[in-house]
Amino acid sequence: GAVVSQHPSWVICKSGTSVKIECRSLDFQATTMFWYRQFPKQSLMLMATSNEGSKATYEQGVEKDKFLINHASLTLSTLTVTSAHPEDSSFYICSPRQGWNYGYTFGSGTRLTVV
Amino acid sequence: DAKTTQPPSMDCAEGRAANLPCNHSTISGNEYVYWYRQIHSQGPQYIIHGLKNNETNEMASLIITEDRKSSTLILPHATLRDTAVYYCIVGKSTGNTPLVFGKGTRLSVIA
Repeated sequence: GAVVSQHPSWVICKSGTSVKIECRSLDFQATTMFWYRQFPKQSLMLMATSNEGSKATYEQGVEKDKFLINHASLTLSTLTVTSAHPEDSSFYICSPRQGWNYGYTFGSGTRLTVV
Repeated sequence: DAKTTQPPSMDCAEGRAANLPCNHSTISGNEYVYWYRQIHSQGPQYIIHGLKNNETNEMASLIITEDRKSSTLILPHATLRDTAVYYCIVGKSTGNTPLVFGKGTRLSVIA
């Protein structure tokens, strides 16, 4: 159980364009979604938390207008990096959570390279 | 900030047991100890978690000291595929609080 599908696994885009990353929980319903990013040789840093049907809560220093999070259903959440710049190049990881009595699951990650 | 302290790196010979230490001296009574690992360019993989009793599963064993201020993850027979960054994390199982990752331990299994 607790299968997570994150797509794409890698993407290269030009500066100024937008990129959408999808995260699906295939066999459970995710009431909460955590989004992390990881720069080279660093640990995972929490970007934002979203609950189904509600607006996301962003960590300090993360621009909510740049990283758009949609959590419209219990099985799908998306992260859109708008007007991407080279400094947005990173490894983005989703972490859907079924509820307080369940463990923490993670997607396989998306490697974003902005050129 | 992460509430755990781990050595930045460790080596282990293939076939031997890998013992990864973690200090969490400020752990609260209702916080669990979680262990995840991350193989290069992949998402974190769950290994094991525990509250105060020692735990064992098909991947590893978790030994938690009686005062819960430290723990050790044991991979009984390390293989080359166990080379990864191992994260020790303390967190609550209740509520919707995210896991906070520290820097972890980079384990290199050597043939």
